[in-house]
Amino acid sequence: DGGITQSPKYLFRKEGQNVTLSCEQNLNHDAMYWYRQDPGQGLRLIYYSQIVNDFQKGDIAEGYSVSREKKESFPLTVTSAQKNPTAFYLCASTPGLGLYEQYFGPGTRLTVT
Amino acid sequence: GQQVMQIPQYQHVQEGEDFTTYCNSSTTLSNIQWYKQRPGGHPVFLIQLVKSGEVKKQKRLTFQFGEAKKNSSLHITATQTTDVGTYFCAGPNTGFQKLVFGTGTRLLVSP
Repeated sequence: DGGITQSPKYLFRKEGQNVTLSCEQNLNHDAMYWYRQDPGQGLRLIYYSQIVNDFQKGDIAEGYSVSREKKESFPLTVTSAQKNPTAFYLCASTPGLGLYEQYFGPGTRLTVT
Repeated sequence: GQQVMQIPQYQHVQEGEDFTTYCNSSTTLSNIQWYKQRPGGHPVFLIQLVKSGEVKKQKRLTFQFGEAKKNSSLHITATQTTDVGTYFCAGPNTGFQKLVFGTGTRLLVSP
């Protein structure tokens, strides 16, 4: 069964701690994306990666970091520098950059107190 | 920067009523995509429109791409409770590296 997995579904952290969200896909897609969604709002792009070992900042990259060491994996680290980290985080992938539909994972709901 | 706005932000209808959401881009789009996100879920791709003036139908859903390729609409005929969710439009940025998502329209359907 092809798809995108994100873990965990819910994550709780104390303020000041870094936290890493997992995203894995077995669709053989080249491009992967991280979005942030706040209650009642749209999706804002954090980072995206076109190929392994390459990634680009999206619209709200401050306080976040990513890596793309393997094609299947695109973990997102929410650092202590992110002022309002509590949000719903969605990972997505496409075969490449361009006019493709995006396949989304189930998301991770992060709460920082 | 490029902006994609949707109206209304929220709509509550009785089951059986029709529903329309409108999507407006600040720039001309090469294509537009529509997604549905159920409450607590993740966005799921519905359709992509490419041609100016294009109209596509999926059962009770009708999608339209404007002649100027700067706006789009999604119309649902005779809504059902299963239509509940937030509907997003999205278009590629100028460099085609990423999608710019609209602000979304949240639909609530009462039985």
